[in-house]
Amino acid sequence: KAGVTQTPRYLIKTRGQQVTLSCSPISGHRSVSWYQQTPGQGLQFLFEYFSETQRNKGNFPGRFSGRQFSNSRSEMNVSTLELGDSALYLCASSFQAENTEAFFGQGTRLTVV
Amino acid sequence: GNSVTQMEGPVTLSEEAFLTINCTYTATGYPSLFWYVQYPGEGLQLLLKATKADDKGSNKGFEATYRKETTSFHLEKGSVQVSDSAVYFCALKDFGNEKLTFGTGTRLTIIP
Repeated sequence: KAGVTQTPRYLIKTRGQQVTLSCSPISGHRSVSWYQQTPGQGLQFLFEYFSETQRNKGNFPGRFSGRQFSNSRSEMNVSTLELGDSALYLCASSFQAENTEAFFGQGTRLTVV
Repeated sequence: GNSVTQMEGPVTLSEEAFLTINCTYTATGYPSLFWYVQYPGEGLQLLLKATKADDKGSNKGFEATYRKETTSFHLEKGSVQVSDSAVYFCALKDFGNEKLTFGTGTRLTIIP
């Protein structure tokens, strides 16, 4: 069974640009969550999607957005990039049943210059 | 809100030493508890989990017991190996909610 796949693995963008990251969950998983990991703030929850609907959202500005498609694949978008957006962005998928765990992708390393 | 407090690192041990990484939590509900491990340049891998009080999660020689009375989920291993060098994260998830709340992570280095 394939794991969670995130593309691309690495990105370098300029301040003010926008970026789209992609996540393909494990087959059969309908819940996809996104996290930002930085040395200063650690792992922070961005949002969660289930059946194409955002169910939960973390405390991030509106520049951060996401969506989920009917095949459960998800994208997140960051507009008007700032230097502080440089981070490892992790996607996790889960089956969304009681007591199930989340499986993480390898992440996308975004560097804003 | 929910929070996880994790033992500050970094932790450096000799091979075959005993490992404990402390984790305590605050939760409004009755959460599931997890330990994840992150190797350099990688995402998070689930190490073990426990879903109710007194459950013991175990994997690859690591163990942690869900202690509701002390709101703790300490990670232990009897004899560490160099390959255990990584960053370890304690996390919780509320029932019915997919959001994970993580601790700050503990960097573990094992010296041969």
